[in-house]
Amino acid sequence: EVQLVESGGGLVQPGGSLRLSCAASGFSFSSYEVNWVRQAPGKGLEWVSYISGSGTTIYYADYVKGRFTISRDNAKNSLYLQMNSLRAEDTAVYYCARDGRGYYDSSGYYHKGGHDYWGQGTLVTVSS
Amino acid sequence: SYVLTQPPSVSVAPGQTARITCGGNNIGSKSVHWYQQKPGQAPVLVVYDDSDRPSGIPERFSGSNSGNTATLTISRVEAGDEADYYCQVWDSSSDHLHWVFGGGTKLTVL
Repeated sequence: EVQLVESGGGLVQPGGSLRLSCAASGFSFSSYEVNWVRQAPGKGLEWVSYISGSGTTIYYADYVKGRFTISRDNAKNSLYLQMNSLRAEDTAVYYCARDGRGYYDSSGYYHKGGHDYWGQGTLVTVSS
Repeated sequence: SYVLTQPPSVSVAPGQTARITCGGNNIGSKSVHWYQQKPGQAPVLVVYDDSDRPSGIPERFSGSNSGNTATLTISRVEAGDEADYYCQVWDSSSDHLHWVFGGGTKLTVL
């Protein structure tokens, strides 16, 4: 059974740091791309960051670029999000989410798979 | 930056058909994924690649995508379908690759 379990959330002051973890099990972790997605209280889903299976390709949303760092340890089947210079607007439930398999169409364009498995989320509250 | 537009709310009576739209510039050229999220729960993928269903998702859930609009259709709506629904695409149109979510649609079953 595929499982993703986040941890590391909590209350932190503005300007502070926090490191989130996501423990994966039930699948070949290194073969899959994974993401962090967040949801502020009462708001919609917001993508945060992506990392390829090998960890060599990384993307960030503009609103976290330069403050957050995504990483993974395939030997430990774990995904991480180091969050620095936290702001009140970073308050949210943070989910890790696995990308399903993509495919190339007849014109050679690559279609990425959707997030087929999600963790239960961990709450980050940034407040003084 | 690529923008996906969803109606904030859709209401439908039990047994009827709900259609939730997702608008985006030439979205028909992209693969659209749809998620269902119930209160206090993580999102669940209900349609991927425009119209495919993951295992365990009822056939009542279907999707289409053409031109500037993708649509999630829920047939024979049940009370348990009441939830927030989000569309999503991967935007690779610039050198800034990223996932994009629509703003979400709250489905109310009357």
